[in-house]
Amino acid sequence: KNEVEQSPQNLTAQEGEFITINCSYSVGISALHWLQQHPGGGIVSLFMLSSGKKKHGRLIATINIQEKHSSLHITASHPRDSAVYICAAILNFGNEKLTFGTGTRLTIIP
Amino acid sequence: KAGVTQTPRYLIKTRGQQVTLSCSPISGHRSVSWYQQTPGQGLQFLFEYFSETQRNKGNFPGRFSGRQFSNSRSEMNVSTLELGDSALYLCASSLFAGGGYTFGSGTRLTVV
Repeated sequence: KNEVEQSPQNLTAQEGEFITINCSYSVGISALHWLQQHPGGGIVSLFMLSSGKKKHGRLIATINIQEKHSSLHITASHPRDSAVYICAAILNFGNEKLTFGTGTRLTIIP
Repeated sequence: KAGVTQTPRYLIKTRGQQVTLSCSPISGHRSVSWYQQTPGQGLQFLFEYFSETQRNKGNFPGRFSGRQFSNSRSEMNVSTLELGDSALYLCASSLFAGGGYTFGSGTRLTVV
């Protein structure tokens, strides 16, 4: 079982819809990252969270440490948001390496 | 400021050969980490360097190695290449280990 799980694996939505991608983890973490990967491979770090909520433009990331759960929300989705979204956690094992979820492939249809 | 630079962008090698990939971090970043991404296994951590010292290593065979230079630039080396080593190799830099990461565009390695 992966220590970091993401859902859904694939998500297709119409332009303008509100999008939620979920990430859960089974052990304690010190921080969680949300990453965006476009076709071609480049990865952009969207957020790093250790508590609460962060917002950047139409993107919102939340984390609930007690429930071991984080969500990435996209408001007013746009076709350019189509990408793979990956959550990655820094686990509390005494080191700081990233452990990745399997990713969510998001497709926004115009 | 310049981002994380990985070279080369694409590489084709033959089984049994070795390969060296390079990563230049953002100026001032002292931590460089390396990742392998394949369709089957997704993103996996390879190793992380901070101030020329390897701090963490993932579950990869000894054929995978790396180093970091005094200017924080890092290289990873894969010896005796296997077909299964075909992947996108990404590096990321951060000010400190576990900090906010900036990723490079990756090197796509194909082993034939």
